[in-house]
Amino acid sequence: GAVVSQHPSRVICKSGTSVKIECRSLDFQATTMFWYRQFPKQSLMLMATSNEGSKATYEQGVEKDKFLINHASLTLSTLTVTSAHPEDSSFYICSARSSGELFFGEGSRLTVL
Amino acid sequence: AQSVSQHNHHVILSEAASLELGCNYSYGGTVNLFWYVQYPGQHLQLLLKYFSGDPLVKGIKGFEAEFIKSKFSFNLRKPSVQWSDTAEYFCAVNADEDGNEKLTFGTGTRLTIIP
Repeated sequence: GAVVSQHPSRVICKSGTSVKIECRSLDFQATTMFWYRQFPKQSLMLMATSNEGSKATYEQGVEKDKFLINHASLTLSTLTVTSAHPEDSSFYICSARSSGELFFGEGSRLTVL
Repeated sequence: AQSVSQHNHHVILSEAASLELGCNYSYGGTVNLFWYVQYPGQHLQLLLKYFSGDPLVKGIKGFEAEFIKSKFSFNLRKPSVQWSDTAEYFCAVNADEDGNEKLTFGTGTRLTIIP
C-alpha cells in the first residue's frame, strides 16, 4: 500500500516555542491530507483538512492561528504548533488518500514542557 | 454529527479464543464503516470497510465485521486470535452527506493476546 511518513516522531519543546511537523506521501501525490489529534485513551479527532495550493479547512473549535497548516506541494503538508503550551501536548497523526483508501502516518508525539 | 462508541477499552484473550469487538455509531443516514488496526509502533492500517452490499465484510488477517443497520452496529470478529493480533483497534464512520472524506473515530479498543 501507499506510504505516509511523518517527521519527527517525537518532539519535546519548551512552552512558548513553535514546532513544525511534516507529513509526506512517499509514493503517491495527495491533493488532500488530514491532520488528527489523539489524546490518551481518546479518539482521533480531526483537526483540519489540508488542501494543496489553498487554505486548510479547520474543524470547529480548532484555532487556525495556533495550528498553522501549509500544503505547498502534492507530497508534503506541514503542521506548525505556534507558541506551544503544555495543553498542546498530544499525538498528532496525518493521513492521505490513495486509490480510495486512507493511509496514515506513524504519528508525532509532542510534549511541551 | 455522527459519533462512534467502542465500549470495550481493553480486551485480554488467550490465543485461539474467539474475538468480538463492539462498535456502535449514531447517525440516521447512509454510512461508510471502517475498522483500523494499529500494531505497536506502527501506522494505522485498514482492516476492512463497508460501503454497501453484503453486510458481512471480510478483511485481512481473518477478520470480519457485520453491519447491522437496525442496531447501528459494526462489530469486528475473528474466530481464533493469535498473539500477533495484539494491537489497538479503531472503528470509524464516514457519514458526511456532502461527500466529505472526514472520518469519525471511536476511542479504540486495546487487544492483548496472551500466548
